[in-house]
Amino acid sequence: GAGVSQSPSNKVTEKGKDVELRCDPISGHTALYWYRQRLGQGLEFLIYFQGNSAPDKSGLPSDRFSAERTGESVSTLTIQRTQQEDSAVYLCASSLGGGRPSYNEQFFGPGTRLTVL
Amino acid sequence: QKEVEQNSGPLSVPEGAIASLNCTYSDRGSQSFFWYRQYSGKSPELIMFIYSNGDKEDGRFTAQLNKASQYVSLLIRDSQPSDSATYLCAVNSPLYSNASKIIFGSGTRLSIQP
Repeated sequence: GAGVSQSPSNKVTEKGKDVELRCDPISGHTALYWYRQRLGQGLEFLIYFQGNSAPDKSGLPSDRFSAERTGESVSTLTIQRTQQEDSAVYLCASSLGGGRPSYNEQFFGPGTRLTVL
Repeated sequence: QKEVEQNSGPLSVPEGAIASLNCTYSDRGSQSFFWYRQYSGKSPELIMFIYSNGDKEDGRFTAQLNKASQYVSLLIRDSQPSDSATYLCAVNSPLYSNASKIIFGSGTRLSIQP
């Protein structure tokens, strides 16, 4: 594909349900990031995958949040037992990754808007 | 903790004037510096990048980098109402060989007044 894609674009769920969000990065991009953005707020880093290295999970807000990535392709972010405070836009971004400065340029997907009722 | 700091604003600038946005960072090993623009309800989009000390110009935008002082700035000349958005500064923080983590500032909200 030409860019980063995310699905679903919108998700409405009931409190206590589990949700799974998907990100398809640009082909060949080894780095993948997940961010959360609450209404009117900045980007909140959640997790970072770089190639086959162990992911940086330092931004995950609780053990209800987890993410996986299969090799250097699709990633899924799972939120278990959703709470109303989880309502936000979840953004995925990918980059080439690697040693050159230009490889750090991030390309963002359109986001998934999650609403927890 | 590696940090990127921005003034949250809002920064209000009259139409046609120069808007100046500033960002400071803490990791002296940083090599890549990016400015993203985010309109309300949209994803961030890259508008400028700079890797070397000095100025880099692209149309009405100029990015300035001073590694000794650890700051990067974005100037927008002839500001237009369409420039009203949140501007995010992003900086790489080297981790290990051939890998970096990108750190975003919290963004500066810019409002261009007609």
